[in-house]
Amino acid sequence: DAGVIQSPRHEVTEMGQEVTLRCKPISGHDYLFWYRQTMMRGLELLIYFNNNVPIDDSGMPEDRFSAKMPNASFSTLKIQPSEPRDSAVYFCASSLLVRVREGYTFGSGTRLTVV
Amino acid sequence: ELKVEQNPLFLSMQEGKNYTIYCNYSTTSDRLYWYRQDPGKSLESLFVLLSNGAVKQEGRLMASLDTKARLSTLHITAAVHDLSATYFCAVAYSGGGADGLTFGKGTHLIIQP
Repeated sequence: DAGVIQSPRHEVTEMGQEVTLRCKPISGHDYLFWYRQTMMRGLELLIYFNNNVPIDDSGMPEDRFSAKMPNASFSTLKIQPSEPRDSAVYFCASSLLVRVREGYTFGSGTRLTVV
Repeated sequence: ELKVEQNPLFLSMQEGKNYTIYCNYSTTSDRLYWYRQDPGKSLESLFVLLSNGAVKQEGRLMASLDTKARLSTLHITAAVHDLSATYFCAVAYSGGGADGLTFGKGTHLIIQP
């Protein structure tokens, strides 16, 4: 199992540009989570999906942020337009409901820098 | 709103010493997780605690859960340098599903020779 795969690993972009982060969950997992990690705010849950349907997006900071999960093996987190304060590490995690008590598996993260 | 507080946030200790990290949470939960994060890396699952009085041990680390006090501890025994990392506790709502986790701020642990 390749684990949760995120791309790109690093992204540097200019303020105002659109940024798209990608995630491939573990095959068969039915939950997918997007987290953001910053020094100031720690790890924050942005949004999560169950069977490709968004369940809770209350953590999405602004309308500039959007997330989709068009199928069970792919999700995107888009920021448009990006701002310097969006600089953070974005993690994707996945889980299987019947095995949730074993934990959640995190991807390697995407380090986003907006200049 | 579920809140998770860890303390201490920073800890510098010598090899061979023992220490405990504390994790308090504000509302009822049926799952508590401990994760480790090395600099620039992802989160690695250490322990999952599911019931009151649960205790799990792996090497020099031992985690426990008191659901009545809404408190979990991560105890480090005879610390070694390799345990230097940031440790997070995370709590799930008692929803029965795979709810999103609420994380503490993390404890940045430095173990000096």
